[in-house]
Amino acid sequence: DAKTTQPPSMDCAEGRAANLPCNHSTISGNEYVYWYRQIHSQGPQYIIHGLKNNETNEMASLIITEDRKSSTLILPHATLRDTAVYYCIVRVANTDKLIFGTGTRLQVFP
Amino acid sequence: DAGVTQSPTHLIKTRGQQVTLRCSPKSGHDTVSWYQQALGQGPQFIFQYYEEEERQRGNFPDRFSGHQFPNYSSELNVNALLLGDSALYLCASIPMNSGANVLTFGAGSRLTVL
Repeated sequence: DAKTTQPPSMDCAEGRAANLPCNHSTISGNEYVYWYRQIHSQGPQYIIHGLKNNETNEMASLIITEDRKSSTLILPHATLRDTAVYYCIVRVANTDKLIFGTGTRLQVFP
Repeated sequence: DAGVTQSPTHLIKTRGQQVTLRCSPKSGHDTVSWYQQALGQGPQFIFQYYEEEERQRGNFPDRFSGHQFPNYSSELNVNALLLGDSALYLCASIPMNSGANVLTFGAGSRLTVL
């Protein structure tokens, strides 16, 4: 079973920040949080990951709460091409196995 | 730099048949994982291959088997196909012992079982 819960869908206006929440209340101390997205008919694309510190890269920022029970993916300036299903994933410790949930379908509108 | 390539992109089979899907990992990657994605669901881990051996396995029956070749490419075989095996099959690769553990996914092979 997935170790994360996400809202099934969200909307965001183009140019605005998209904030996608994720709950992972049963996460273990050595398990990472990963975010991937999947555009229709394509394979999942890596976005960002973190353990306990906030992370930022060219695509997004990841904010992890101090207790690590939840996190938020931030797309600072959403574009129409960011429309996709976003998966918050906990990587099983000491493995490369990813446990996907059903994700959040983000719709960016003009 | 080619990413993960999968073939075929689409195929149709009938119940009871067997299917083989193929995957070439990204250059520099030696570990391959396979995932099954049913319509409207997230991908589900099937198994992972490294050094031509199955290293980890998800909750899938023995009808699902795999192989990895010396050049790191991989095959997924499914025997005695069921209607419920209809899905997008994704291959992902990673350099073994990579600290970042970032999987690169292919575009998938869409299997339809009639």
